[in-house]
Amino acid sequence: AQSVTQPDIHITVSEGASLELRCNYSYGATPYLFWYVQSPGQGLQLLLKYFSGDTLVQGIKGFEAEFKRSQSSFNLRKPSVHWSDAAEYFCAVTNDYKLSFGAGTTVTVRA
Amino acid sequence: GAVVSQHPSRVICKSGTSVKIECRSLDFQATTMFWYRQFPKQSLMLMATSNEGSKATYEQGVEKDKFLINHASLTLSTLTVTSAHPEDSSFYICSARDGTANQPQHFGDGTRLSIL
Repeated sequence: AQSVTQPDIHITVSEGASLELRCNYSYGATPYLFWYVQSPGQGLQLLLKYFSGDTLVQGIKGFEAEFKRSQSSFNLRKPSVHWSDAAEYFCAVTNDYKLSFGAGTTVTVRA
Repeated sequence: GAVVSQHPSRVICKSGTSVKIECRSLDFQATTMFWYRQFPKQSLMLMATSNEGSKATYEQGVEKDKFLINHASLTLSTLTVTSAHPEDSSFYICSARDGTANQPQHFGDGTRLSIL
C-alpha cells in the first residue's frame, strides 16, 4: 500500500529565509507525487506535481520540488519565504485514483 | 483553469437536520469527484469516490446511508449528510479530476458544518 510521511509537524521560518519541507513516500512502482497548500479554512491548492521526466519540478508561487528515487523523497523548497506562505502543506501520492496524503506540515512565518 | 466550486462554505443547523453540499467543476468535466472530511489539525480523510452516472464507492467505515452522494452530471456532485448530529460537525472538502486516473485532483474551498 502506498503511504506518505511528512516528518516535520511544524516549521517556523523567518521571512526571506529559505524553506524546505520533507516528504517521504512508500510505494512499489513509480509514484505520481503532488504538493498541495491549504490556507486556514480553505480547500487545497495544487503547488506542483511529478509524474516522470526531470526530477526537479517547478510549481506556482516560487516553489520547487525534487524527486529522489534512491531516497524515496519528494522535498518541497522555496528560496525566499513570504509572509503569505504561512499555511499547511500536504504531500500526496497516487497510483490509481486515490490520493494518499501525508499528515501535513504547518509553516509559520515570522517577521 | 480547473476551478472547483463548493457551496455552501459554512452551515450551522440543528441536530436531526439533513444538509446538502454541492461541488461543481466550473471549467472542466469531472469524470470523478471525491469527498473528504478533515478534522482540526489533521490531514484529509477520503470518504467516498463518485463517478458520473454510477454509485459512489465508500471507504471503509463511512456510512453510505448517512452520507448520500450523487454525481448526476459531469460537473456536479452532491453530498447529503442525513439526520446530522453533533459528531458530524467537521470540515468537508470535495475535489474533482478530469481525464486519467493519475491527473491532479482540484479541490473546492470546503464546507464548515456545525451541528448544534
